Amino acid sequence: QLAESGGGSVQSGGSLRLSCVVSGFAVDNYAMGWVRQAPGKGLEWVSGITEYGGTTYYADSVKGRFTISRDTSKNTVFLQLNSLRAEDTALYYCAKFGHGYNPDVFDLWGQGTMVAVAS
Amino acid sequence: DIQMTQSPSTLSASIGDRVTITCRASRDISDWLAWYQQKPGKAPKALIYKTSSLESGVPSRFSGSGSGSGTEFTLTINSLQSDDFATYYCQQYNIYPITFGQGTRLEMK
Repeated sequence: QLAESGGGSVQSGGSLRLSCVVSGFAVDNYAMGWVRQAPGKGLEWVSGITEYGGTTYYADSVKGRFTISRDTSKNTVFLQLNSLRAEDTALYYCAKFGHGYNPDVFDLWGQGTMVAVAS
Repeated sequence: DIQMTQSPSTLSASIGDRVTITCRASRDISDWLAWYQQKPGKAPKALIYKTSSLESGVPSRFSGSGSGSGTEFTLTINSLQSDDFATYYCQQYNIYPITFGQGTRLEMK
């Protein structure tokens, strides 16, 4: 199971830290990622981290502003969102890669946490 | 970045119909193509990976195929059921950045 939290309403330029608490498997056994969905829109991949935590990936739209990390002792993946813009308003899903490839298919998703950025 | 283009954007169908959704990649992605189903207010659910492999628990009325070119793919749903009305997305995972198609909304005729 994946359980996201940390979303909320923030002013443009503000920051939030999203958390994804993982249960049922260890975060250092699978690569993980974040995917967002703006209201009424499609899916947009945001960021990913390998199972070893050594490599991170970002969409160009968030590079330099967002940071993905993980804490194996808490079995949690984080997404730090800085310099937020109105276009970052979306439901943010945490998701797990499923088949051992990199990149891969997301075979497990959380229910999402909503981020709303007021301009 | 690899652009993924789905067609149609909206598809109207009836219970029992066979429907096909197409996804085109802007360049060769081999067979690194997945399909998801998303219902309103819910997270996406993976249906198919590596073009044609069914995820565990997904009904066999769902199938995926590719043209062999590495750029054209289809999702077919046979004998449409009421539970299948949803939005479907393709996703390429050949290379970062991961990209999704814009979605196909399957609605009841």
